Amino acid sequence: AQSVSQHNHHVILSEAASLELGCNYSYGGTVNLFWYVQYPGQHLQLLLKYFSGDPLVKGIKGFEAEFIKSKFSFNLRKPSVQWSDTAEYFCAVNAAGASGTYKYIFGTGTRLKVLA
Amino acid sequence: DTEVTQTPKHLVMGMTNKKSLKCEQHMGHRAMYWYKQKAKKPPELMFVYSYEKLSINESVPSRFSPECPNSSLLNLHLHALQPEDSALYLCASSGGGRLAANTGELFFGEGSRLTVL
Repeated sequence: AQSVSQHNHHVILSEAASLELGCNYSYGGTVNLFWYVQYPGQHLQLLLKYFSGDPLVKGIKGFEAEFIKSKFSFNLRKPSVQWSDTAEYFCAVNAAGASGTYKYIFGTGTRLKVLA
Repeated sequence: DTEVTQTPKHLVMGMTNKKSLKCEQHMGHRAMYWYKQKAKKPPELMFVYSYEKLSINESVPSRFSPECPNSSLLNLHLHALQPEDSALYLCASSGGGRLAANTGELFFGEGSRLTVL
């Protein structure tokens, strides 16, 4: 079965520290990959996405992610976090199931707290 | 602000009540979704509509009944819910322009927070 793993459940960083959140998925076919963010009290919104092409994708607010096909990974990075990055981050995979219908599967989420 | 509008934002209902959650999008998206999110958990897929037809039902109990009256609207009818059904119910849409209906990024609404007493 398809699955998405996020290894870091809680991360606490000081401002200006670098961030890397891990995401691994299990699916052998073509996938579309996403990172979503949920700020406190707000709706889920897209940070960045990968469909094809350059495996290093840049998103909003200085975030980037690298797709490494051989490792089934799509890790999220930011060189220098800010207090306003405090949020929950979800990795998601969109892939076709046995019936051919695409499904989104979310990882368990990583709760990031940035200390001012 | 999100382009997916959900109403009501908050709903409290008893176990014998019948209520509905509503979702609307005007982005021309052809896939619409219902997700359930419990506190500190990821969204769990419930239903997917693609071109107004139900394409995925993730074995959701029949006390939840989805409806897609047209390409812009998605409803979730609730009847005889249990307290454990209390959660944030999220609507999302995807697939506009040349993108296939259920690929592409999801656009989420702010959710309807449901409490079942």
